[in-house]
Amino acid sequence: DIQMTQSPSTLSASIGDRVTITCRASQSISSWLAWYQQKPGRAPKLLIYKASSLESGVPSRFSGSGSGTEFTLTISSLQPDDFATYYCQQYSTFSYSFGQGTNLEIK
Amino acid sequence: EVQLLESGGGLVQPGGSLRLSCAASGFTFSNYPMNWVRQAPGKGLEWVSAISVSGASINYADSVKGRFTISRDNSKNTLFLQVNSLRADDTAVYYCAKGWGGSYWGLLPHWGQGTLVTVSS
Repeated sequence: DIQMTQSPSTLSASIGDRVTITCRASQSISSWLAWYQQKPGRAPKLLIYKASSLESGVPSRFSGSGSGTEFTLTISSLQPDDFATYYCQQYSTFSYSFGQGTNLEIK
Repeated sequence: EVQLLESGGGLVQPGGSLRLSCAASGFTFSNYPMNWVRQAPGKGLEWVSAISVSGASINYADSVKGRFTISRDNSKNTLFLQVNSLRADDTAVYYCAKGWGGSYWGLLPHWGQGTLVTVSS
C-alpha cells in the first residue's frame, strides 16, 4: 500500500500569513492527489484534486502543486475560516490512503 | 444538491455486527462509484471500501477485509456496509462518500455527515 506522510502535524499561523503544507507519497502517484479540509464535527471538504485543480467554490487563496511523490498545499493569505485540519489523499491505487493530517491553528 | 445520509450506527459489543446504510439523493446514484471512509475519535481519516457503479467490482482496506462487506441497491439509491466481527479499534465515525466518477473512484467530492459506531462491552 502507498503511505502518505504530511508535514508538519501542527502549524501555528496568524491571519494574513502564507502557509504551506507538504505531503509525500511512498511511491509515485503521478498527479492523483487530493487535499481536504475538515473542521471539528464536520465531514471533510474537497479543496484540490489532481494535485493542482481547484474544486468549484473553493477560494482562490488555496493552491496545490507537485507530482510524483512530493506535493504541497498553499494558502496565500490565511482567513479566520481556514483554521482547520487538512488531509492529503492519494487516489492512484487502492487503498486510497490519507495523510495523517495537519492541524492549522491560530497563533 | 447532492445529499448522503448515513444511518445504522450505534453501540455494539466486541464480536458483534451492524449494517450501515447511506441514502443518496440529488444525483444519479447508479452512475457513480461509492466509498466508505472512517475516522476514529480524535484520529485521521481511513479509507475503508469502494464499490463500482454496478457493484461488480469491490475493494477493501486490509484492516477490514474478510469482516466488512460493501454493497449497493441502485433501485433504492442506497449504499450499505455490513460490519461483522467488530473490534474496539473499529470504533469510528463512518462516512459515506460519493466517488468522482469514471475511473476516479477514490476522489471524494461529496460526503455524508457520518454515523458513529462504538464497539465496547
